[in-house]
Amino acid sequence: GQNIDQPTEMTATEGAIVQINCTYQTSGFNGLFWYQQHAGEAPTFLSYNVLDGLEEKGRFSSFLSRSKGYSYLLLKELQMKDSASYLCAAMDSNYQLIWGAGTKLIIKP
Amino acid sequence: EPEVTQTPSHQVTQMGQEVILRCVPISNHLYFYWYRQILGQKVEFLVSFYNNEISEKSEIFDDQFSVERPDGSNFTLKIRSTKLEDSAMYFCASSEEGDIAKNIQYFGAGTRLSVL
Repeated sequence: GQNIDQPTEMTATEGAIVQINCTYQTSGFNGLFWYQQHAGEAPTFLSYNVLDGLEEKGRFSSFLSRSKGYSYLLLKELQMKDSASYLCAAMDSNYQLIWGAGTKLIIKP
Repeated sequence: EPEVTQTPSHQVTQMGQEVILRCVPISNHLYFYWYRQILGQKVEFLVSFYNNEISEKSEIFDDQFSVERPDGSNFTLKIRSTKLEDSAMYFCASSEEGDIAKNIQYFGAGTRLSVL
């Protein structure tokens, strides 16, 4: 079956760095997406990886290892506004997104 | 910045009633989607739509559900004979491309459906 696993909740301190991991199993693979979702709001696109390696975009970076079925989202210089859920989603061979349950990130001052 | 808009933001209905959730996708996008997120659970794919027809649908999207693009801008999800378990946030999304890998989907703010 198809499955995405990510931690339920993480806590970090303002100004610090946090890494949110995601493992996936899908029927075929067409890339790995990370979305941010604030409570009660829509998911917003953060990053996309299809090749192995690190993609950097400002304070956020995303890494992919296709052979391990593994990705992580790295958030640097954490700000209070980064408190949100971070959703990992893998695109399968039918170009459908298979979603993880999300990781709730709590930032403390 | 263009965005996906959804109305209403909150819909309350009685069990057994029909509801229509409305979405206006981003104007130059060709692929449209509906997702459901039950409170505290993961986002679930319902259906994708392209060229005035359903391209993919999940097991959740049974005969109770239908989608329509009644004009050039709106994209609707109809739920017939609502059940208590249909209570969820329903998200509409759209994308420029569909059957390619880097298919970035942009989401609306959602409609919270409460079935009483």
